[in-house]
Amino acid sequence: EAQVTQNPRYLITVTGKKLTVTCSQNMNHEYMSWYRQDPGLGLRQIYYSMNVEVTDKGDVPEGYKVSRKEKRNFPLILESPSPNQTSLYFCASSQEGGELFFGEGSRLTVL
Amino acid sequence: GNSVTQMEGPVTLSEEAFLTINCTYTATGYPSLFWYVQYPGEGLQLLLKATKADDKGSNKGFEATYRKETTSFHLEKGSVQVSDSAVYFCALSDRSSNAGNMLTFGGGTRLMVKP
Repeated sequence: EAQVTQNPRYLITVTGKKLTVTCSQNMNHEYMSWYRQDPGLGLRQIYYSMNVEVTDKGDVPEGYKVSRKEKRNFPLILESPSPNQTSLYFCASSQEGGELFFGEGSRLTVL
Repeated sequence: GNSVTQMEGPVTLSEEAFLTINCTYTATGYPSLFWYVQYPGEGLQLLLKATKADDKGSNKGFEATYRKETTSFHLEKGSVQVSDSAVYFCALSDRSSNAGNMLTFGGGTRLMVKP
């Protein structure tokens, strides 16, 4: 089954404690990206990757890092989380110009 | 820059009522337009899309027509069901300036359908 898998689905953490949200896709897609969803703001892109070892900033990259060492994986790293990073995070993948496939989301709360 | 504006919700309808969710956009290039749906506790799923002016996207009884003259892509359904209760997002992809296949999303509209 074609899917994008994120982990963890839910996480409560404290300010400053590094965390990683993993994302994996099994569709051999070149493009992968991370979005955050906040009430009234829709989804905003954090980072994207067009292929292995190729990453770039989206609209709201501050406070986040990513890596793309393998085609299927695109982890999102919060080195020092802050309360304003409390949000619902979605990973997505696609072929170039194709439909985006989204993961089920990771709800993060930073206290 | 690109932006998408959609009507704020929630929209509450009775079953079998007619649905319209308005969406307008601004884009610097030649966008493709999308409607995504998010059911409770799930990720977003593509509902329909249109890639050029006057195209009509349709799926599961939903329709939207790409209107370049009014820069709009309103979502419609003739008879909603309780199972249509979800959050609907309008989005665009500007192919002329797009890196990373990025979508620009509207704020989302929550639809609640009552039996």
